[in-house]
Amino acid sequence: QVQLVESGGGVVQPGGSLKLSCTAYGFTFNNYGLHWVRQAPGKGLEWVSFIRYDEKNTFYTDSVKGRFTISRDKTQNTLYLQMNSLRPEDSAIYYCAKDRGRAVPDAFDYWGQGSLVTVSS
Amino acid sequence: DVQMTQSPSSLSASVGDRVTITCRASQSINRYLNWYQHKPGKAPKLLIYATSSLQSGVPSRFTGSGSGTDFTLTISSLQPEDFATYYCQETYNTLALTFGGGTKVEIK
Repeated sequence: QVQLVESGGGVVQPGGSLKLSCTAYGFTFNNYGLHWVRQAPGKGLEWVSFIRYDEKNTFYTDSVKGRFTISRDKTQNTLYLQMNSLRPEDSAIYYCAKDRGRAVPDAFDYWGQGSLVTVSS
Repeated sequence: DVQMTQSPSSLSASVGDRVTITCRASQSINRYLNWYQHKPGKAPKLLIYATSSLQSGVPSRFTGSGSGTDFTLTISSLQPEDFATYYCQETYNTLALTFGGGTKVEIK
């Protein structure tokens, strides 16, 4: 069955970097768009980034543009989120999610369990 | 960006109750509206996509309706496993996908 497994979370100081990974199982990785979504403590869900099935386009929420980079490796069936210049307000559980579609966001039909990122000195 | 406003932000209900959650968009989003269920410590779960299409495996007591700016999620007969937080999400603006603030459904 479809499974998404995140890793790479942890505690980092403000201004630091962290790279999240999400390994996919149970579906044809190259055929679907993928997302990162986060949930800050006590807050709701916030979409962070999307990458097309063919990597030809990426989208970001305004607050992470220029700091975060989404990428994917089809040889490893893995999605990544490189996070630089981290701020305390980036502290959250980060979820990867599979889209129902390929090139344009549709609906997020499978999600991982999440990886906790804490930005604190 | 499209703003999504959910109401109520929380509600208390009993098993067997009919529950309705509303989501309003700041501009017309056609039918590009999804609903998710999220329980603490768990992965969010897609319930309804494109306003009214039931995701595979989701019980038929969940229904979605609406178009334009006003949408609803209805649970026809609340079950113990339905106590969770529910989020709407628009995918009309593909450059800035937006979730509603969430509705927490609690046991009365």
